[in-house]
Amino acid sequence: EAGVAQSPRYKIIEKRQSVAFWCNPISGHATLYWYQQILGQGPKLLIQFQNNGVVDDSQLPKDRFSAERLKGVDSTLKIQPAKLEDSAVYLCASSLEAEDTQYFGPGTRLTVL
Amino acid sequence: AQRVTQPEKLLSVFKGAPVELKCNYSYSGSPELFWYVQYSRQRLQLLLRHISRESIKGFTADLNKGETSFHLKKPFAQEEDSAMYYCALSGLTDNAGNMLTFGGGTRLMVKP
Repeated sequence: EAGVAQSPRYKIIEKRQSVAFWCNPISGHATLYWYQQILGQGPKLLIQFQNNGVVDDSQLPKDRFSAERLKGVDSTLKIQPAKLEDSAVYLCASSLEAEDTQYFGPGTRLTVL
Repeated sequence: AQRVTQPEKLLSVFKGAPVELKCNYSYSGSPELFWYVQYSRQRLQLLLRHISRESIKGFTADLNKGETSFHLKKPFAQEEDSAMYYCALSGLTDNAGNMLTFGGGTRLMVKP
């Protein structure tokens, strides 16, 4: 079974620029999550999708972050404009349903200069 | 609000010694607790969850609701146990989503 795929693996941008991350979940997984992991901290949930609908985005900084999962499969997370404090690893995870085990992708390491 | 605390950033033990990684949580409802592990250059993966009451790779964890703890234990550490360990809690959010909250993580180093 193929795992969760993410791209790019690394991204370096300057502050105020825009960036987008892509996630392809495990086939058949209805629930998709985006996490932000700042160096030295545990992952923090940004947004949770159930199919193409948002279940929880309470911790997503909506003034600059957006995410979509239009067809209920792949998802993109965008930051516009980026700030220095957005430097982190962005993890995507998926699960069969919301209460099932979450499987994580390799992450995208973002550095904002 | 739900919160998970792992008081130790780093735990260093010798091979064959017992290991206990501490985890305390704060949650008003009935929590579901997990331990996740990340080995060097690998993805974050589930190690065990309290409802399954399994022993995985020799690790066990018991939920103590009185002390609001979910410590991870192994009687004899192996070098291959060296990794980053995260305790996590799953609880309902205000909008009925199931939110996974992670602790800050503990790096376990097992010395030969």
